[in-house]
Amino acid sequence: KAGVTQTPRYLIKTRGQQVTLSCSPISGHRSVSWYQQTPGQGLQFLFEYFSETQRNKGNFPGRFSGRQFSNSRSEMNVSTLELGDSALYLCASRTLAEADTQYFGPGTRLTVL
Amino acid sequence: GESVGLHLPTLSVQEGDNSIINCAYSNSASDYFIWYKQESGKGPQFIIDIRSNMDKRQGQRVTVLLNKTVKHLSLQIAATQPGDSAVYFCAENRGSNYQLIWGAGTKLIIKP
Repeated sequence: KAGVTQTPRYLIKTRGQQVTLSCSPISGHRSVSWYQQTPGQGLQFLFEYFSETQRNKGNFPGRFSGRQFSNSRSEMNVSTLELGDSALYLCASRTLAEADTQYFGPGTRLTVL
Repeated sequence: GESVGLHLPTLSVQEGDNSIINCAYSNSASDYFIWYKQESGKGPQFIIDIRSNMDKRQGQRVTVLLNKTVKHLSLQIAATQPGDSAVYFCAENRGSNYQLIWGAGTKLIIKP
């Protein structure tokens, strides 16, 4: 079974631009969560989607948004990029049968110049 | 954002020795804890978990110990191997919404 995939793997943007990241969960997984990982803050929870609905949301500004499609694929969008948004963005999927176990993708490394 | 109380120290261990990675958590209401391993260039990988009604759980070469009295969690890796080199994260679940709170991680270095 294929793992969680994320595209693109690397991205360079400039301040003020917006960016869209994509995540394809493991087949059969309907929950997708997004995390921001930085050296100073560790993993910070952004939001979780289940069956196209946002279930949980972390403490991030409204510039960070996401959505989930009917095939469980998810996208997150960051508008008006700031230097501090440079980070590794991780996507994780899980299934209700193993509700407590998340499977992570390799991440998208975003650099904002 | 919130975080479990684990700054990012580095632990150096001789190959073949046992490793012990520690984690402190702050919320006594947390009922589920997980350890993840993150190798360079990869996303975190699930290692082992434990619920608050247990104080010990064993996996393959790994053991997690939970001390609820002092709100402390540890991961023990037996006979450490070069492939164990990674950053190890503990995470706790603080409620029914299943929102994990993550520690900052510990970098494990294996000395040959």
